[in-house]
Amino acid sequence: QVQLQQWGAGLLKPSETLSLTCAVYGGSFSGYYWSWIRQPPGKGLEWIGEINNRRSTNYNPSLKSRVTVSVDTSTNQFSLRLTSLTAADTAVYYCARGGRYTTRGPNEYWGQGTLVTVSS
Amino acid sequence: DIVLTQSPDSLAVSLGERVAINCKSSQTVLDSSTYNNYLAWYQQKSGQPPQLLLYWASTRESGVPGRFSGSGSATDFTLTISSLQAEDVAVYYCQQYYSAPPTFGQGTKVEVK
Repeated sequence: QVQLQQWGAGLLKPSETLSLTCAVYGGSFSGYYWSWIRQPPGKGLEWIGEINNRRSTNYNPSLKSRVTVSVDTSTNQFSLRLTSLTAADTAVYYCARGGRYTTRGPNEYWGQGTLVTVSS
Repeated sequence: DIVLTQSPDSLAVSLGERVAINCKSSQTVLDSSTYNNYLAWYQQKSGQPPQLLLYWASTRESGVPGRFSGSGSATDFTLTISSLQAEDVAVYYCQQYYSAPPTFGQGTKVEVK
């Protein structure tokens, strides 16, 4: 059974940098794309970006200038870094598993979510 | 980006009744070489992450009850719950993974009347 467990700071100030990490337990880590998706309170879902074990990344153009997704294959973990935060970045951030050997796949497994609040 | 528009935004249905949620795509999500529709449906209950229900528009994820089904092709899709149960109260999202970036519909809230 695949499980994703995520953690990171939940309260940040404007202009600061968000940093979240997601650990993958069970199943295969290699071959899959690992995604970050966010959801502002009471709103819909926005895909942020993804990475695979070969460090190939894809980002949402709307966030690309501020986003970095990285991976640590020795620990089966991947991370999200989002810079220059504003209140509009306040959201629940989810990690999720994407497609296998392809960027074109649904998100079958999800982390529990981390609420990140940006406020002065 | 591909825009997905769901209808209705919300609906209230009696237990045991049928529910239909529509998802219209601004572009085709049908791969003409594989005949696969790159569309998924998710269920999100309050305070929980989304759960994958269907992928390739109509393939049920393991463990998903048979009352959930998906249909449609290219730009028009439907999620059907054949007989609403109390545990189906949730927000439902469609997602396209045909072209980057993957995008989601705005969600449809299902409640019990």
